[in-house]
Amino acid sequence: DAGVTQSPTHLIKTRGQHVTLRCSPISGHKSVSWYQQVLGQGPQFIFQYYEKEERGRGNFPDRFSARQFPNYSSELNVNALLLGDSALYLCASSLGLEAYGYTFGSGTRLTVV
Amino acid sequence: QKEVEQNSGPLSVPEGAIASLNCTYSDRGSQSFFWYRQYSGKSPELIMSIYSNGDKEDGRFTAQLNKASQYVSLLIRDSQPSDSATYLCAVNMGQAGTALIFGKGTTLSVSS
Repeated sequence: DAGVTQSPTHLIKTRGQHVTLRCSPISGHKSVSWYQQVLGQGPQFIFQYYEKEERGRGNFPDRFSARQFPNYSSELNVNALLLGDSALYLCASSLGLEAYGYTFGSGTRLTVV
Repeated sequence: QKEVEQNSGPLSVPEGAIASLNCTYSDRGSQSFFWYRQYSGKSPELIMSIYSNGDKEDGRFTAQLNKASQYVSLLIRDSQPSDSATYLCAVNMGQAGTALIFGKGTTLSVSS
């Protein structure tokens, strides 16, 4: 079975641009969460989606948005990119809303210049 | 502010020794606790979860939880150079469906 897949793996954007990151969860998993990991820090929660509804949001500005599709895949969108948005963006997949531990994808490395 | 604290290290141990990693958390109502291993440039990998007070063993790994003292620890027995990585402590501080709060991680270096 395929694990959590994220695309693209690397991305370079210019300040002020918009970016869309994509995630496909493990087959059968209905919950997707997004985390941002800045170098030297632990992952920080951005969003959780379950059954296409937002179930949690971290302390991130409105420039960050996300959605989940009927096939449970998800997109994270970031508008008006800042240099500080440079980070590893991680998608985590779980069966449901239980906190039994996520399975992370390999991440998207975003560099804003 | 709900927080998870870890000593950033680096923690250096010789091959074959026991590595002890510690984590404290701020929310007394926390229910679920996890240890993730992250190799440089890779994504976190779940290695242990623990939900009740006491010890939980899985191979060379033992997780220990003390809710009264609000700490969770990870012991790695017979440490190997391949265990060299950053270990992230994560805590679910709410009901099912809420986020995991991660510590900054402890870097472990095992020398051969």
